[in-house]
Amino acid sequence: EIVLTQSPDTLSLSPGERATLSCRASQTVSSGYLGWYQQKPGQAPRLLLYTASSRATGIPDRFSGSGSGTDFTLTISRLEPEDFAVYYCQQYRNSPYTFGQGTKLQI
Amino acid sequence: VQLVDSGGGLVQPGGSLRLSCAASGSTFRNFAMSWVRQAPGKGLEWVSTIADSATSTWFADSVKGRFTISRDNSENTLYLQMSSLRADDTALYFCAKARRPYSDNDVFDVWGQGTMVTVSS
Repeated sequence: EIVLTQSPDTLSLSPGERATLSCRASQTVSSGYLGWYQQKPGQAPRLLLYTASSRATGIPDRFSGSGSGTDFTLTISRLEPEDFAVYYCQQYRNSPYTFGQGTKLQI
Repeated sequence: VQLVDSGGGLVQPGGSLRLSCAASGSTFRNFAMSWVRQAPGKGLEWVSTIADSATSTWFADSVKGRFTISRDNSENTLYLQMSSLRADDTALYFCAKARRPYSDNDVFDVWGQGTMVTVSS
């Protein structure tokens, strides 16, 4: 099983600032089969990125992803008020398709 | 495609429950489907995936042997049959659709609203 560890657990920033969220895998996630999701309270998760760096439909370009192998990053270039939420990474290369524990992005 | 989860409720330990996920649209049959759960105040946990043709299924170790995933492509519906339920199965269960057609391992681009399962005596 590939274990994903996200850091930090909580990130406190202000609107307009840049956010950098990390996701580290216990084994190589081949072909960059790594996705990122955003979840707000009381809502289902929303897909942001797939294959580490490709934006899903309708996702603003302030969201970007990078990384390969075992280290991946989600960057939000300029935080908008609606970006404060919990973010999860997920590997989907091998079953079980594990999620990280989440990073809470708060004001 | 829109997904609507249903079937959750209160069940005693050791009991059974069947969740359903109704999909709109005619392309349901082309996509692998999954269940993901979230215990109260906790993170996301992948539970199970079924291939578009239902020929293959995958399960998390935590539910293997207790849960069964199935689908009815003629009715655009996904199911999760849960048995031998335990307190730690208490969670909000989401169904989710794979992003690409005919892809068994993929991110989830459409999610249901979730249905709550509570296992308690």
